[in-house]
Amino acid sequence: QSVLTQPPSASGTPGQRVTISCSGSSSNIVRYYVYWYQQLPGTAPKLLIYRNNQRPSGVPDRFSGSKSGTSASLAISGLRSEDEAEYYCAVWDDRLGGPVFGGGTKLTVL
Amino acid sequence: EVQLLESGGGLVQPGGSLRLSCAASGFTFTNYAMSWVRQAPGKGLEWVSIISGSGGNTYYADSVKGRFTISRDNSKNTLYVQMNSLRAEDTAVYYCAKSQTDRYCTGGACYFPPWFDPWGQGTLVTVSS
Repeated sequence: QSVLTQPPSASGTPGQRVTISCSGSSSNIVRYYVYWYQQLPGTAPKLLIYRNNQRPSGVPDRFSGSKSGTSASLAISGLRSEDEAEYYCAVWDDRLGGPVFGGGTKLTVL
Repeated sequence: EVQLLESGGGLVQPGGSLRLSCAASGFTFTNYAMSWVRQAPGKGLEWVSIISGSGGNTYYADSVKGRFTISRDNSKNTLYVQMNSLRAEDTAVYYCAKSQTDRYCTGGACYFPPWFDPWGQGTLVTVSS
């Protein structure tokens, strides 16, 4: 069980806005930047959001990140079928002395 | 273009050893920390280990501490992980990933942000008798 809690699943219809939460604590999210990764089926993870809310070049602005207190969120607007994937949050954790990933959220586009 | 190519995976018996390699190209290897992240079949991502650009600083997940050793050869642009005393629960796809930063130190504390980009394609390690 990860120190970062994500809902195991989320869903939406094309065009909808979906948010995925990542709940942590004072030893991780409160103190450090949060990162988000997208893993399409059968592929390696890909960086989606860095430093809470920054998008790497090539990532559509439909994807946005935010952080408040002990939680972070990934929002996907204008949902598309190709967004169907597993999404992971990640952050450094002082108690563990290393980076930690959330358990992952499987997004289904209905 | 940054490329990471893992190799060395395979089937190994419990208690055995294996060394994974990750050949890097397309960037100045010594300037960046590198990490190993694994994913057990049907499971989520688990960070395994990270090494600073110089190789002088290493961190390990508790699950592998004392059994795995991360290293790098900056003259060969290659990252390694030596895995000893392997267990069934070490069965996973192992990814190497380039960190976009090296270690940060502030107020006497140091850390590596999990800012991994890009990732290699992964190599499967199966621990089974």
